Amino acid sequence: DAKTTQPTSMDCAEGRAANLPCNHSTISGNEYVYWYRQIHSQGPQYIIHGLKNNETNEMASLIITEDRKSSTLILPHATLRDTAVYYCIVSYSGNTGKLIFGQGTTLQVKP
Amino acid sequence: DVKVTQSSRYLVKRTGEKVFLECVQDMDHENMFWYRQDPGLGLRLIYFSYDVKMKEKGDIPEGYSVSREKKERFSLILESASTNQTSMYLCASRTGYAGNTIYFGEGSWLTVV
Repeated sequence: DAKTTQPTSMDCAEGRAANLPCNHSTISGNEYVYWYRQIHSQGPQYIIHGLKNNETNEMASLIITEDRKSSTLILPHATLRDTAVYYCIVSYSGNTGKLIFGQGTTLQVKP
Repeated sequence: DVKVTQSSRYLVKRTGEKVFLECVQDMDHENMFWYRQDPGLGLRLIYFSYDVKMKEKGDIPEGYSVSREKKERFSLILESASTNQTSMYLCASRTGYAGNTIYFGEGSWLTVV
């Protein structure tokens, strides 16, 4: 199972785009990239996921490099409520795939 | 809405007690997971189950066991609780199909005294 590497922490100004990188250089062809976030004392919240194409939803955009070895989560207009720990996960699509979390990135959105 | 429900939000147990943490999902998901989360260590996989009665060890299975007798329910068992098992425990589930979303419960805070 591929593992991920993320920066420990990042800051972002309120209203600006937050770009969170994730390295998953050992990803295999059938593994998806997922992003979750966790606010203190709560369970992780789903944000977005993708296989190889870029994806966008109402919360964020996911940019996956062509070689799929890294990805970037983009929060287009960060707010104070986006302050959280963000986890990038690579998951095998089959039935026996484990979910391996990295350390996550603590994003601090500042006024 | 999909729901993953963890039976207890906060528990306090004594050292040596047997502890059961229950997790139920209502979406007929094949895969279920138990994690623990500790400050500075992120989420670490304890066990996962890809089908009824099937289980596989995660990264930190020592001191834990699991049970999955029914598809919707996945139990984490601490046979003899120790203080180093004080942690937040998270359950998750998903279907076994490609590109599926993973759903988490709200977490169970266990304190062993």
